[in-house]
Amino acid sequence: GQNIDQPTEMTATEGAIVQINCTYQTSGFNGLFWYQQHAGEAPTFLSYNVLDGLEEKGRFSSFLSRSKGYSYLLLKELQMKDSASYLCAVKDSNYQLIWGAGTKLIIKP
Amino acid sequence: ETGVTQTPRHLVMGMTNKKSLKCEQHLGHNAMYWYKQSAKKPLELMFVYNFKEQTENNSVPSRFSPECPNSSHLFLHLHTLQPEDSALYLCASSPSEGEAGELFFGEGSRLTVL
Repeated sequence: GQNIDQPTEMTATEGAIVQINCTYQTSGFNGLFWYQQHAGEAPTFLSYNVLDGLEEKGRFSSFLSRSKGYSYLLLKELQMKDSASYLCAVKDSNYQLIWGAGTKLIIKP
Repeated sequence: ETGVTQTPRHLVMGMTNKKSLKCEQHLGHNAMYWYKQSAKKPLELMFVYNFKEQTENNSVPSRFSPECPNSSHLFLHLHTLQPEDSALYLCASSPSEGEAGELFFGEGSRLTVL
């Protein structure tokens, strides 16, 4: 079966760095997505990785290793507004999105 | 106008009621999706429409009935629901199905079935 694993919840301190991991087992691979979802709001697109390596976008970076079936989202200089759920999703060989259950990130002052 | 708009944002209904959720997208996309989001579970794909044609029905019970009159509008008709159907229902759109690229989500309709 197809599966995406990510931690259920993480806590970090304002100003610090946090890494949210995602491992996947899917039938084929056509890209990995990270979305951010604040409570009561729409998921919004953060990043897309299809090749191995690190994609940097401001305070957020996303890394992919296809051979390991592994990705992480790195958030630097954490701000209180980064408190949200972070969803990892992979497009399989049929371009179907397979979703993880999300990681709830709690930022403390 | 925001990209994807869902109404109502909140809905409480009894098990014998009939109600509908509405989604409208202003992005010129051709694919629209209904997802169910329950606490601590992955997003569950329910239905997909591509160029107004239903291309996916993920074994969804018949008490959920989708309708896509055009590429900009998507409805989810609800009848005789069960309490376990209480969840956040998210609508999303993309340029077309079966391609790379991200989905654009609405803010969801929070459904409570009593």
